[in-house]
Amino acid sequence: DIQMTQSPSSVSASLGDRVTITCRASQGISSWLAWYQQKPGKAPKLLIYAASSLQSGVPSRFSGSGSGTDFTLTISRLQPEDFATYYCQQTNSFPLTFGGGTKVEIK
Amino acid sequence: EVQLLESGGGLEQPGGSLRLSCAASEFTFSSYGMSWVRQAPGKGLEWVSSISTNGVTTYYADSVKGRFTISRDNSKNTLFLQMNSLRADDTAVYYCAKGGVAARHFHYWGQGTLVTVSS
Repeated sequence: DIQMTQSPSSVSASLGDRVTITCRASQGISSWLAWYQQKPGKAPKLLIYAASSLQSGVPSRFSGSGSGTDFTLTISRLQPEDFATYYCQQTNSFPLTFGGGTKVEIK
Repeated sequence: EVQLLESGGGLEQPGGSLRLSCAASEFTFSSYGMSWVRQAPGKGLEWVSSISTNGVTTYYADSVKGRFTISRDNSKNTLFLQMNSLRADDTAVYYCAKGGVAARHFHYWGQGTLVTVSS
């Protein structure tokens, strides 16, 4: 199975800050990676797929990059609605696996 | 807008069974693979199972293989998860999700249904 490791597990940031979250796969997955945002008590929402493709309707301040084993999600200017937990997921092969999550909190 | 509405969750004893349903609307259900993803209380996301458009091909996490069965009824736009031999560690919110087969990311998610396994 492909293990996905996210870092940091939590980050404190202020409005307007640039935030970067890292996801590492235990083996190469090309660009087969997705990112999700989840707010408390809500279902996850797809942000990015294929490592860098922005899902329709997602603000352009979200961007994804990387290939192989190392990936990043960047929020360019943090907005109030961005405080949430973010998960990466490898879409390369079954079993599909998620990272442990990164909670973005208000500083 | 895509709608996914789960039902069937509840409290069940260890060793018992539950059947989850997911009613889909506002998209061509029969054209998409579908999946179940769960989240234990206070924990992260865990993929459970996926099914192809015609229901012929299914995939399972090792943690549920042999106990859970995914199926679909394209005539009723409904996805199912039959859960047998339930264990305490199956306690979670179960989400129905569009996708997970051809494109293995999950485009849309339902609101989830809580399954609690406890005596």
